[in-house]
Amino acid sequence: ELKVEQNPLFLSMQEGKNYTIYCNYSTTSDRLYWYRQDPGKSLESLFVLLSNGAVKQEGRLMASLDTKARLSTLHITAAVHDLSATYFCAVFHSGGGADGLTFGKGTHLIIQP
Amino acid sequence: NAGVTQTPKFRVLKTGQSMTLLCAQDMNHEYMYWYRQDPGMGLRLIHYSVGEGTTAKGEVPDGYNVSRLKKQNFLLGLESAAPSQTSVYFCASSLYLDRGTEAFFGQGTRLTVV
Repeated sequence: ELKVEQNPLFLSMQEGKNYTIYCNYSTTSDRLYWYRQDPGKSLESLFVLLSNGAVKQEGRLMASLDTKARLSTLHITAAVHDLSATYFCAVFHSGGGADGLTFGKGTHLIIQP
Repeated sequence: NAGVTQTPKFRVLKTGQSMTLLCAQDMNHEYMYWYRQDPGMGLRLIHYSVGEGTTAKGEVPDGYNVSRLKKQNFLLGLESAAPSQTSVYFCASSLYLDRGTEAFFGQGTRLTVV
């Protein structure tokens, strides 16, 4: 059974600071996704990481994937209040009775002005 | 450009009642999924479909049934609702998923079973 663990689950930080969210997963996969969710809203795709060493950046967010360590990171640079949201990582799996994305529990990020 | 549309957006059911949630996508996607989201649990896969006429169980399928009679629609049914099914339900679709294309999510259906 694929397990996806995010940490931290809750993060309060100040504007201008840097921080990293970690996503560990338990079985081999080279398909990892990051989503953002605002309160009461749907999920918005941020990044799709498809190979070991993949790195993608959009604005103040940068995501990376290390398939050997089964670890992805989402790094926030010089945080701003608009980045406050819940961030989910999700890992694609196939077989074992289900094909699809297994999600972490999410990281609730609050950025204080 | 509708994307993925879920109907209804909110619903309150009494225990034992039945209902159907509709998901429609206009992107000609092969894969469609139903997830439920509960506080502190992330999203969990209920059922999924890899094409018209096919369905398969996900992680938490008990108490739910699905049908995909048309490629663009994926229905989620609750035959006898229970309070444990109170949740926010999300439908998603993707062209493929094993090839790394992203999944697009609907706006969600907030269901309360009393």
